[in-house]
Amino acid sequence: AQTVTQSQPEMSVQEAETVTLSCTYDTSESDYYLFWYKQPPSRQMILVIRQEAYKQQNATENRFSVNFQKAAKSFSLKISDSQLGDAAMYFCAYRSAGNTGNQFYFGTGTSLTVIP
Amino acid sequence: DAGITQSPRHKVTETGTPVTLRCHQTENHRYMYWYRQDPGHGLRLIHYSYGVKDTDKGEVSDGYSVSRSKTEDFLLTLESATSSQTSVYFCAIREIRNRESGGYTFGSGTRLTVV
Repeated sequence: AQTVTQSQPEMSVQEAETVTLSCTYDTSESDYYLFWYKQPPSRQMILVIRQEAYKQQNATENRFSVNFQKAAKSFSLKISDSQLGDAAMYFCAYRSAGNTGNQFYFGTGTSLTVIP
Repeated sequence: DAGITQSPRHKVTETGTPVTLRCHQTENHRYMYWYRQDPGHGLRLIHYSYGVKDTDKGEVSDGYSVSRSKTEDFLLTLESATSSQTSVYFCAIREIRNRESGGYTFGSGTRLTVV
């Protein structure tokens, strides 16, 4: 089974500053998807950004971007111009590619605090 | 996004009692999943379904059963609740209409406390 590791249980960032959340994964597959999900105190899981392994270009979504290093099996999330609303638990997730029912594998999460 | 609702949102139950959680979707998604979320473990797959009456086990399936008699409903049953099953339970669906798709849409979760 694939494993996803988030080595930072907690992170903090000053409002308007930039923070990077780390994620590494272990797989023998060559084609897969990677995701970052945000879970605010409301408990709702919200998709932040996704990356297809076959794409070399790093995904970006407004203030959120990733640094995808396929050879190193690393997938970090950068949040620029941090806002109070970014405070949440962030989960990194992995899924095999293909039209099957493959499950997602999640990391243990990083709790992000935004300091005003 | 497809509509996906979970019920109940919160539940407290006693050890040894059976409990059923419901997940309902308003779209015709084939795949549905049940996860549990625990501190230090992230989300772990309990069971999933790939069609009506087609289900399979995940990594933490012991003590749980599922049923899917209709496309729109996926039920998770704790046959005899234990304190170790106190957790937040999430239902999710996944679109497979094209290769670019692949994310999950989650329900709002059920917080279950077994006392």
